[in-house]
Amino acid sequence: QKEVEQNSGPLSVPEGAIASLNCTYSDRGSQSFFWYRQYSGKSPELIMFIYSNGDKEDGRFTAQLNKASQYVSLLIRDSQPSDSATYLCAVKNQAGTALIFGKGTTLSVSS
Amino acid sequence: NAGVTQTPKFQVLKTGQSMTLQCAQDMNHNSMYWYRQDPGMGLRLIYYSASEGTTDKGEVPNGYNVSRLNKREFSLRLESAAPSQTSVYFCASSSSFSGANVLTFGAGSRLTVL
Repeated sequence: QKEVEQNSGPLSVPEGAIASLNCTYSDRGSQSFFWYRQYSGKSPELIMFIYSNGDKEDGRFTAQLNKASQYVSLLIRDSQPSDSATYLCAVKNQAGTALIFGKGTTLSVSS
Repeated sequence: NAGVTQTPKFQVLKTGQSMTLQCAQDMNHNSMYWYRQDPGMGLRLIYYSASEGTTDKGEVPNGYNVSRLNKREFSLRLESAAPSQTSVYFCASSSSFSGANVLTFGAGSRLTVL
């Protein structure tokens, strides 16, 4: 079982809607969680990271972390066609020296 | 400021051939990583180097070797390429030894093994 699980999608939402992306992880001791966005044919780029339980907001993006349930989510408000991409969830490994990625969720925002 | 530079961008090999993927970063980062990305599989960690002089295996190290030549450069070698190694390879670096905080990725190297 992979350490980080994501629904591969595709997740389709209309422009202006809220997109909700979810991720679960297996290591209860994980402390740091990251969301990366990857456009087709490009390299991943960091959207945001979260360390503490609760919500963290950055513009239209909100990361939510629930360590008791071992899931982290990313909400995208007012989704735009330019948000269409694959979103990768990543968790720091047990040694704290590298990131382990999920398979990614493909988001499609239609205008 | 180039960030993370990978070469080559594209390569086609025959089964059994060897090659080295080169990676260099100019951000004075301590940690460097090699990932591979296959359709539907996300990014999988091959090897990483937490600091100059150290390397460690990741999730999928079999069939690969790495060299941390100096603080800037981290190469990935395929000694005897196999079709299963057809993939897009990403090099990345980060500034923290234990934080693995923000990864900066190179543009990727697309490798096809026939």
